[in-house]
Amino acid sequence: DAGVTQSPTHLIKTRGQQVTLRCSPISGHKSVSWYQQVLGQGPQFIFQYYEKEERGRGNFPDRFSARQFPNYSSELNVNALLLGDSALYLCASSLRGEKLFFGSGTQLSVL
Amino acid sequence: GENVEQHPSTLSVQEGDSAVIKCTYSDSASNYFPWYKQELGKRPQLIIDIRSNVGEKKDQRIAVTLNKTAKHFSLHITETQPEDSAVYFCASLGDGNNRLAFGKGNQVVVIP
Repeated sequence: DAGVTQSPTHLIKTRGQQVTLRCSPISGHKSVSWYQQVLGQGPQFIFQYYEKEERGRGNFPDRFSARQFPNYSSELNVNALLLGDSALYLCASSLRGEKLFFGSGTQLSVL
Repeated sequence: GENVEQHPSTLSVQEGDSAVIKCTYSDSASNYFPWYKQELGKRPQLIIDIRSNVGEKKDQRIAVTLNKTAKHFSLHITETQPEDSAVYFCASLGDGNNRLAFGKGNQVVVIP
């Protein structure tokens, strides 16, 4: 079985640009969550989607947005990038939001 | 919001010895507590989890214990091996909540 897949694996952007990260959940999983992991820290919750509806939003600015598609894949968008947005962005899928299985992440560098 | 703290931040053990990592949480309504292992440059992997109606759970060399009264839970690794070297994250999930709150992680180093 394929696990959670994320693309791209690495991304370099400059301040002010916009970025879109993509995630495909494990087959049969209807919940997708996004986390930001800064080096040396634990993952921080950004969003959760279940059945295409937003079920939770973490303490992140409105520059961060996400959506889930009918096939349960998801996109995370970040506008007006700041240097502080540099991090590993992890997508996780689960059946209902509890037992999370993470993808390998997208490493975003903002210069 | 939920606050999860892990101790110690770094733990070095001799191969074959046991390692114990402790986490404390603040939300008494939390009812699900997973542990994740993250090797350098890799994804966090769920290694064991426990619900609040259970006091202990074992899976081969790994066990998790939960003390709801004191609001802490611990990861126990017995007969440690070099491949156990990684960062371990604890997390908690509140009742009716939909987000895992993670600790900052513990670096475990197993010395051959």
